[in-house]
Amino acid sequence: GNSVTQMEGPVTLSEEAFLTINCTYTATGYPSLFWYVQYPGEGLQLLLKATKADDKGSNKGFEATYRKETTSFHLEKGSVQVSDSAVYFCALSGYNQGGKLIFGQGTELSVKP
Amino acid sequence: EPEVTQTPSHQVTQMGQEVILRCVPISNHLYFYWYRQILGQKVEFLVSFYNNEISEKSEIFDDQFSVERPDGSNFTLKIRSTKLEDSAMYFCASSEGATGSSYNEQFFGPGTRLTVL
Repeated sequence: GNSVTQMEGPVTLSEEAFLTINCTYTATGYPSLFWYVQYPGEGLQLLLKATKADDKGSNKGFEATYRKETTSFHLEKGSVQVSDSAVYFCALSGYNQGGKLIFGQGTELSVKP
Repeated sequence: EPEVTQTPSHQVTQMGQEVILRCVPISNHLYFYWYRQILGQKVEFLVSFYNNEISEKSEIFDDQFSVERPDGSNFTLKIRSTKLEDSAMYFCASSEGATGSSYNEQFFGPGTRLTVL
């Protein structure tokens, strides 16, 4: 079945450091891929998405490129801020599967000033 | 900005008791979902609901669980006889649509933390 694997956390970075959170997936067909963010005490918010191969999703300085050849959707940001501290979830939605999301285990990011 | 709301934020119950978790989806949305997250584990899909019936459910969603849209605004998850392992954060989500190759963003509520003692 479909699944998502992302790098384990927690990840601790200094402000302005470069961020990469790895995400790989297993799926049949052509899934849509997402990154969700969960700030402390809040629900999940969609950060960015990509719906087909080679698409790049971007938002708030974060980027991720849908790589079908490596089945990956790594999250990157060039310069993190303290306010980026949160838990980041990679997820996929299978083609024509009613929209349910399959999540990775989440990666906690802590950014220190 | 419209948002999904959930009540209560925290529910404590005794094992074997029934609980009802409530959600108010965004008003023009047609698809509704419940997910859960056991502490330290990944977010897991439970059930999706469309047109007043279950579209899909996971193996977690056994006979102890049920969902209902009792009126035009609420969407509820009922657990008939809670077990210790039902302790988790339960998230409700809604979207405008979910079919075909286009994606309709799922908007999540803040969650209800269920603690079963």
